[in-house]
Amino acid sequence: KQEVTQIPAALSVPEGENLVLNCSFTDSAIYNLQWFRQDPGKGLTSLLLIQSSQREQTSGRLNASLDKSSGRSTLYIAASQPGDSATYLCAVGGGSQGNLIFGKGTKLSVKP
Amino acid sequence: EPEVTQTPSHQVTQMGQEVILRCVPISNHLYFYWYRQILGQKVEFLVSFYNNEISEKSEIFDDQFSVERPDGSNFTLKIRSTKLEDSAMYFCASSAETGGVLHGYTFGSGTRLTVV
Repeated sequence: KQEVTQIPAALSVPEGENLVLNCSFTDSAIYNLQWFRQDPGKGLTSLLLIQSSQREQTSGRLNASLDKSSGRSTLYIAASQPGDSATYLCAVGGGSQGNLIFGKGTKLSVKP
Repeated sequence: EPEVTQTPSHQVTQMGQEVILRCVPISNHLYFYWYRQILGQKVEFLVSFYNNEISEKSEIFDDQFSVERPDGSNFTLKIRSTKLEDSAMYFCASSAETGGVLHGYTFGSGTRLTVV
């Protein structure tokens, strides 16, 4: 059974820092991997989608990498801003129908 | 930008009552999903829907749950007889496909269900 773990559970950084969020999964037979952002009491905003054949994806200040063989993905946020404060969720797609298995998230706080 | 719309945003119901949560997926998406998030816990998959039928469901999605696409735009989740442990945020999502490759999900903003 696929398990998704995110480390750290919480992270507090000063504005301007570059940071890395980690995601690991137990079964490397994945279809894709997505990173989401969740603001308190709100829905999930898709940040990046990496297909199983890809190694990384970039969008603005965000870069996500995928290493299927080691069961790991990282989300790199450059030059963090207070507006980046949110919970970041990693989710692994296990089949062609796209059903996702989520990690518990990393709660990020960026202080001005 | 296209959105997935969920209504209501918050519903309070008595234990044992039936509830229907409503979703309007993005119009050209073909895959529809329901997920839930109990407070403080992980987002959990409930069910996926494609081509007017359930394509996959989790252990959570037992006989008290059902989904329907009653017309060309709405996608509903019905909980037949609610229990206290059904209290959670319920998210609807949809996804498109191109050449056999799924695009990223678009999630709705959720319905917070409180069972009292």
